[in-house]
Amino acid sequence: AQKITQTQPGMFVQEKEAVTLDCTYDTSDQSYGLFWYKQPSSGEMIFLIYQGSYDEQNATEGRYSLNFQKARKSANLVISASQLGDSAMYFCAMRPGLPGANNLFFGTGTRLTVIP
Amino acid sequence: KAGVTQTPRYLIKTRGQQVTLSCSPISGHRSVSWYQQTPGQGLQFLFEYFSETQRNKGNFPGRFSGRQFSNSRSEMNVSTLELGDSALYLCASSYWGSTNEKLFFGSGTQLSVL
Repeated sequence: AQKITQTQPGMFVQEKEAVTLDCTYDTSDQSYGLFWYKQPSSGEMIFLIYQGSYDEQNATEGRYSLNFQKARKSANLVISASQLGDSAMYFCAMRPGLPGANNLFFGTGTRLTVIP
Repeated sequence: KAGVTQTPRYLIKTRGQQVTLSCSPISGHRSVSWYQQTPGQGLQFLFEYFSETQRNKGNFPGRFSGRQFSNSRSEMNVSTLELGDSALYLCASSYWGSTNEKLFFGSGTQLSVL
C-alpha cells in the first residue's frame, strides 16, 4: 500500500529563515516519484519540486530543495530564506511506479506561517 | 505557455442534480487526471485519461465519470449529487503520465452541493 505521512500540521518560521517540512512515504515500488506542492488560500496547487526515486542528487528549484533519504523513505522539503508569500499549505505526494500511473497519493499537508 | 485551465471556478448545485466540470491541459500534454479535495478526506485521486482512454480509476462510485477529447481536454461528470460531493475538484496534466514527469495542476473548481 502507498502512504504519505506529514506529521507537522502547522509550522511557523521567521521571515528570511530556513524551514524544513517533513515527509515520509511507504511503498514497495522500486520506481516512484515524489512531489511537493504549495496550496495558497486561493486553492490552486502550485508545483514546487520533484524527485525521482533513481535520482542520485537531491532536487533543487530556486529556494526549494528536497532532502531525499531513500533508505529512510523520507523526502523533506527545505525552504530557504522564507518570505511572507510562502505562507500556505504544503503537500507532499508520491506517484507510484506503475506505467501510466498518474495517480498521486497525498499527505495531509502542513500549514506554514511565515512571521514578519 | 498557458497553464492548466479549469472551468467554472465556482459551482452551486442542489442534491440530485448533475454537474460537468471542464479541464484544458497544458498545450501538448496528453495525460489528464482528476482529484477531489475535501477537509475530511484530503486529496484523493478520481481518474486519469490518456489519449481519450481512461487508464486509472480511484475508489469512487460510478456517479463520478469522465472523458477526454481528441484535443486532450477533459470533462468530469457527477450525477445525482450528494451533500458529500461538495469539494474542490482539481485537474492535473502531464505529457505522458509517466513516473518521472512533473505534474501540473489547475486552480480547481469549487463545487458546493446544497
